Amino acid sequence: GAVVSQHPSRVICKSGTSVKIECRSLDFQATTMFWYRQFPKQSLMLMATSNEGSKATYEQGVEKDKFLINHASLTLSTLTVTSAHPEDSSFYICSARARGLSANEQFFGPGTRLTVL
Amino acid sequence: AQSVTQLGSHVSVSEGALVLLRCNYSSSVPPYLFWYVQYPNQGLQLLLKYTSAATLVKGINGFEAEFKKSETSFHLTKPSAHMSDAAEYFCAVSDHNFNKFYFGSGTKLNVKP
Repeated sequence: GAVVSQHPSRVICKSGTSVKIECRSLDFQATTMFWYRQFPKQSLMLMATSNEGSKATYEQGVEKDKFLINHASLTLSTLTVTSAHPEDSSFYICSARARGLSANEQFFGPGTRLTVL
Repeated sequence: AQSVTQLGSHVSVSEGALVLLRCNYSSSVPPYLFWYVQYPNQGLQLLLKYTSAATLVKGINGFEAEFKKSETSFHLTKPSAHMSDAAEYFCAVSDHNFNKFYFGSGTKLNVKP
């Protein structure tokens, strides 16, 4: 149980294009989803927190107009990197917090490797 | 404010040897502490967590960690390393609302045959 999937697992795009990454909780309802980015050989940095049906809360220094987050349902959150540039190349990981017994744990997705050429 | 420091970005041990990965935290409130493992190009898998119950926490794959408030530490140990333990390990701290996780910089564990 408590599986989180991400799609796509890898994406390569040209500079200036937009890329959408999906995060799904497969077997539970996620009250809150989190988006992290991980640069090579570095740790995870929280980008934003999203609750179903409300606007995401962004961490300081994260451009909300560049990283659009939509948490449309209790099982799906999307991160859209708009007008991507090479410096946006990174490993993006989502996590989801479950409603109920496991509310004290974040379940992490497998990540999406974004490469912007 | 909360933060985590992991000493040693790379640790190398021989198969069968003791594994010790260090984590020190800073928190203005009693923290919840976590250890995660990450295999290449994969997400994070929870190894164990401390949420103010027993200070010695046992996790999966034979790992355990001890919360020491006086030392503000939560070091991860395993008595005998296995080749499959080679991965990157992250220590994390959160508040009691589990709203935000702050991760350490990670320690890459190499296990030599």
